[in-house]
Amino acid sequence: ELKVEQNPLFLSMQEGKNYTIYCNYSTTSDRLYWYRQDPGKSLESLFVLLSNGAVKQEGRLMASLDTKARLSTLHITAAVHDLSATYFCAVAPHITQGGSEKLVFGKGMKLTVNP
Amino acid sequence: EPEVTQTPSHQVTQMGQEVILRCVPISNHLYFYWYRQILGQKVEFLVSFYNNEISEKSEIFDDQFSVERPDGSNFTLKIRSTKLEDSAMYFCASSRGFIDTGELFFGEGSRLTVL
Repeated sequence: ELKVEQNPLFLSMQEGKNYTIYCNYSTTSDRLYWYRQDPGKSLESLFVLLSNGAVKQEGRLMASLDTKARLSTLHITAAVHDLSATYFCAVAPHITQGGSEKLVFGKGMKLTVNP
Repeated sequence: EPEVTQTPSHQVTQMGQEVILRCVPISNHLYFYWYRQILGQKVEFLVSFYNNEISEKSEIFDDQFSVERPDGSNFTLKIRSTKLEDSAMYFCASSRGFIDTGELFFGEGSRLTVL
């Protein structure tokens, strides 16, 4: 069974600082997704990573995928208050293992950026 | 931009009552999903639906739950006899599947409160 773990689960940081958060998963997969959720809101797609070594950047966020290590990172550069939200990574089970097209989510990391 | 729409946004019901949550997926998508999120917790997979039938369901999706695509546009989740522990935010999602990026697009959610 695919398990997805994120760490840390809570992060409080100052504006202007950098930080990296991690997403590990337990079985082979080459598809990983990052979502953002504001309180009481839906899940907004941030990044789609579809191959080993994939790197995507959007604004102050950069995501990467290492399928051999079963690890994705989300790097925050010069954080601003607007980045405060919960960030989820989600992994698609490898198709050849008979997985359906569903995504399995981590527990989420609640980020608070303090002015 | 196409989006997934859900109704109602909030429903309050008494324990033991039947509830139907409705979703209109993005029109050219092939896969439909229900996920739920208990307050402050992770996003849990309930069921996926493809080609007019359930393709996968989780342990949570017991006999009290059912899904239906009654026409070409709506996708519904029915809970036959609600329990207190069914209180959660229910998200509908759709995707084009792994022939595309596999990215799930989520609706705004339906908050269910069971009293």
